[in-house]
This record gives sequence, C-alpha cells and structure tokens, in this order.
Amino acid sequence: QKEVEQNSGPLSVPEGAIASLNCTYSDRGSQSFFWYRQYSGKSPELIMSIYSNGDKEDGRFTAQLNKASQYVSLLIRDSQPSDSATYLCAVNSNNFNKFYFGSGTKLNVKP
Amino acid sequence: GAGVSQSPSNKVTEKGKDVELRCDPISGHTALYWYRQSLGQGLEFLIYFQGNSAPDKSGLPSDRFSAERTGGSVSTLTIQRTQQEDSAVYLCASSLQGSYEQYFGPGTRLTVT
Repeated sequence: QKEVEQNSGPLSVPEGAIASLNCTYSDRGSQSFFWYRQYSGKSPELIMSIYSNGDKEDGRFTAQLNKASQYVSLLIRDSQPSDSATYLCAVNSNNFNKFYFGSGTKLNVKP
Repeated sequence: GAGVSQSPSNKVTEKGKDVELRCDPISGHTALYWYRQSLGQGLEFLIYFQGNSAPDKSGLPSDRFSAERTGGSVSTLTIQRTQQEDSAVYLCASSLQGSYEQYFGPGTRLTVT
C-alpha cells in the first residue's frame, strides 16, 4: 500500500465547473497536508496547506481534511483552462521531516 | 525575492560517472529537502536538512547517493557511479523552520546514458 494514493486521472471538467480532487493517506500520525500544482515540465507549486479537520478556503480553492477517514480533498471552483495541470497531494510522515507525495491527478479543464 | 535555484538545469552523463547537483535555497529558509521525480511519478523523498542538525537520510536509495549542506545554505547532492535508473528530475525545496510549506526549485533533469 502506498503512503499517499491519488487517482491518476485524467479528470476532465468543463470551464466554470467545480473540479474535485481526492487523496487518501495511510499514516494516522500525519499532521500536515498540502496540495501542489505541477504544470508539465515545471516544478511543483504550493497551492494550499491544511492542518485541522474541516474546510479551508483560499480564493477559488477549498481544501478539506478528514483525519478519521484519512482523506484530504481539493475543490477548485469556477475551473479555468489555466488550472489544467497535475495536482499532487503531500502528507508528512509521523517523522515530521519526511513527506510523502502522491503520484498526482491530471486535471483537464475544457474551454 | 529570489526563489530556490538549482544547477545545472540539465545533465547528461555516462553510466558509471559521478555527478554533483547543486541547490541554493531561499534566503532565511533553514529547512532543505531533496526529492527525485521519475517520469509520470510522484516525488520520492531523498534527504532533509534542518539548520545545523544531523540530516534525515532515510530516503536515500543506496550508498551511491550522498548530500551535504555547507554553512546551512547551499546543498550538493552527489551520485556516484551513476546507473540508468538514476535518470530522473531531481528537485530541491526549502522552507522556513517549523513551516513545512515547501518551495521548489526548477529541478535538474539527469539523464544517464
């Protein structure tokens, strides 16, 4: 079992729709959760961090965390073609230094 | 301000040669991470430095891999006797102490022929 699991996609949504990206993790001791966006050929770019159960909103992005279910998600409202990228979920291990990344979900936003 | 920088951006080397990859973190960031990303894969943790503390080397895949960080700033990742399976993009990230929000450099694409 991988430490962080993501559906590889691609997830296709029309422009203006809500994109929902999901991630599950195996380490119950994890405390910090992150979403990164990675455009093709580029390095990951931090979008959101979340540390507590519930929702955290930042502009068009909402991160949701449920530690009991070991589940974290990212909602993108009013999706734009420029949101088309691979979204990586990252979770810290019980050893706070080490982070596990999922293999990413590829999102396509169609004009 | 300046972000994380890495050099070289691309490196092609022959199997069996040694390579050195460099990372210059964001000024003031005490934590530094190295990751490896193979084509179409997620990031694989390699090593973590925090200030002057002993590094966490638990992700290094073999003893051919080593890294150092001089003066708490610039870091060098060294791969000895490179193998074809070492071909990947090597990414460096830095963060403020206690933040865990990592900012990535542009990466070094390593190709072993």
